Amino acid sequence: SQTIHQWPATLVQPVGSPLSLECTVEGTSNPNLYWYRQAAGRGLQLLFYSVGIGQISSEVPQNLSASRPQDRQFILSSKKLLLSDSGFYLCAWSVSSYEQYFGPGTRLTVT
Amino acid sequence: GENVEQHPSTLSVQEGDSAVIKCTYSDSASNYFPWYKQELGKRPQLIIDIRSNVGEKKDQRIAVTLNKTAKHFSLHITETQPEDSAVYFCAAMSTGSARQLTFGSGTQLTVLP
Repeated sequence: SQTIHQWPATLVQPVGSPLSLECTVEGTSNPNLYWYRQAAGRGLQLLFYSVGIGQISSEVPQNLSASRPQDRQFILSSKKLLLSDSGFYLCAWSVSSYEQYFGPGTRLTVT
Repeated sequence: GENVEQHPSTLSVQEGDSAVIKCTYSDSASNYFPWYKQELGKRPQLIIDIRSNVGEKKDQRIAVTLNKTAKHFSLHITETQPEDSAVYFCAAMSTGSARQLTFGSGTQLTVLP
């Protein structure tokens, strides 16, 4: 069965510091991968999606970037964090079916 | 792009009563409509979904209805229990290879014992 991992689970970073969040999927090949952000008490905002290795599409212009170096690995990065980058970051995957499943998330606090 | 509106933002019901959450979407080409339940501090969990070629789908105490003409869909929870308390999100999927979901703003459901 498929499993999705995210790390770290929680992170506290100062403003201006870099960021790297990782997501990996097991048990499937060539998944579509997605990064969402959820601000406190808010809905889910799609940040990036990828349909294959090296293929990244951005939904919202911002100081974040994403990369997909391997088929089942998706990385979210930033060179300099802003206070507004705080939130709950969720990775999700889907394959040939329509269903989209979320990872456990990373809770990021920028201080 | 797609726009999804969800109502109400908060809903309180007595245990055993029914709860209904409604969503509207803007893109008539959207063809897949999932519902997610998110408990505090946890990931959203897919609880039920419906495709555009179906008008209603049921799974035990939860059901989803879709009206393509009016571009709205609803989640129905019957015989509510305290463990149903959570934030519920609707979403609509646009066509295209990436199958992107656009989410509603969420409904905080509280089931009062």
